Amino acid sequence: EAQVTQNPRYLITVTGKKLTVTCSQNMNHEYMSWYRQDPGLGLRQIYYSMNVEVTDKGDVPEGYKVSRKEKRNFPLILESPSPNQTSLYFCASSLGTGSSGYEQYFGPGTRLTVT
Amino acid sequence: GENVEQHPSTLSVQEGDSAVIKCTYSDSASNYFPWYKQELGKGPQLIIDIRSNVGEKKDQRIAVTLNKTAKHFSLHITETQPEDSAVYFCAASKGRAAGNKLTFGGGTRVLVKP
Repeated sequence: EAQVTQNPRYLITVTGKKLTVTCSQNMNHEYMSWYRQDPGLGLRQIYYSMNVEVTDKGDVPEGYKVSRKEKRNFPLILESPSPNQTSLYFCASSLGTGSSGYEQYFGPGTRLTVT
Repeated sequence: GENVEQHPSTLSVQEGDSAVIKCTYSDSASNYFPWYKQELGKGPQLIIDIRSNVGEKKDQRIAVTLNKTAKHFSLHITETQPEDSAVYFCAASKGRAAGNKLTFGGGTRVLVKP
């Protein structure tokens, strides 16, 4: 089944404790992104990647890091989480080329709470 | 940067009636406008999209219209059913040149009453 998977789905942590949220897609997509969702603000892009070893900042990159060492994986790293990073996080991927290259497919989400 | 506004924030309709959600965008370079449906506990799911070279697109009970001049686009759901209850998001994108980045509206919570 074509899908985007994220782990963990739920995470409660404390301020300053480094964490990684994994994202993997099995559709051979070129583009991958991370978004955070907050009430009333919709989803906002954190980082994106257009290919292996190519990443760039989105609208709200502060406090986050990403890496793209393999095409299928795009982990989100919080080196020193703070309470304002409590949010619902989504990974997404898209083909990037062709007539359907724009369509983005989202993972199930990771709910992060930082105390 | 791009700014997308979505109205209304909540919408309650009777089963069988139509629902309309409207969005405006600010960047005339945006050329792709998808709509997503998000059910409780799930990620957004693409339900329909439209490119800037098309004024209207329809898929069964769902239709989207785009007015490039006015920079607004709308989602129309006809003959609503209880399973249409969800949060709907509009978005705008400048496509591959911007990494397919989506700028989302704030969402509309739709409740279809049986």
